[in-house]
Amino acid sequence: DTGVSQNPRHKITKRGQNVTFRCDPISEHNRLYWYRQTLGQGPEFLTYFQNEAQLEKSRLLSDRFSAERPKGSFSTLEIQRTEQGDSAMYLCASSRRGLYGYTFGSGTRLTVV
Amino acid sequence: QQQVKQSPQSLIVQKGGISIINCAYENTAFDYFPWYQQFPGKGPALLIAIRPDVSEKKEGRFTISFNKSAKQFSLHIMDSQPGDSATYFCAASKEAQKLVFGQGTRLTINP
Repeated sequence: DTGVSQNPRHKITKRGQNVTFRCDPISEHNRLYWYRQTLGQGPEFLTYFQNEAQLEKSRLLSDRFSAERPKGSFSTLEIQRTEQGDSAMYLCASSRRGLYGYTFGSGTRLTVV
Repeated sequence: QQQVKQSPQSLIVQKGGISIINCAYENTAFDYFPWYQQFPGKGPALLIAIRPDVSEKKEGRFTISFNKSAKQFSLHIMDSQPGDSATYFCAASKEAQKLVFGQGTRLTINP
């Protein structure tokens, strides 16, 4: 399967703990995006990378959130000091610059208890 | 700021019927309008997309109608099947960068 891979699929954490998610994009895709989706809502943009450069960050991405894409390959999204409001599905997508339409992974569902 | 508004929130259609979902956008700089299908526990999957230089695009049972002057676009699913039961999202973007999604429509096809 050469789709977008996200790990873990599910994460339950206690409030105040740090969590990290990983996304492996389709290998020839140089753009990588993170979105957050809460129950019953459409995905909301968080940030995106072109190769290793983080080109845009949403205001939704508070200081507790950080994303990296070392060497322009996989990406990680870290949430520090998790809060109950961080409970959501975190989706990763990748695309090739200049081509419309991108591919989403199956997401990581985070539950903060 | 709600840039893409989608309706209805939920829709029930009989098998074989036509499902119609509508979206309206605000930002005239948007140049790409995709529709995504999402099943529970899965990420959104691209169904069909349109650029503003055409008024209609058809792929199999799925058709997008686009009205640039009204800033509206819609998804039509012909001969709706129970397997089409899912949540559908419209979206818009500028230069295929970040997507702005609608709120979603939960479609149920009754057998």
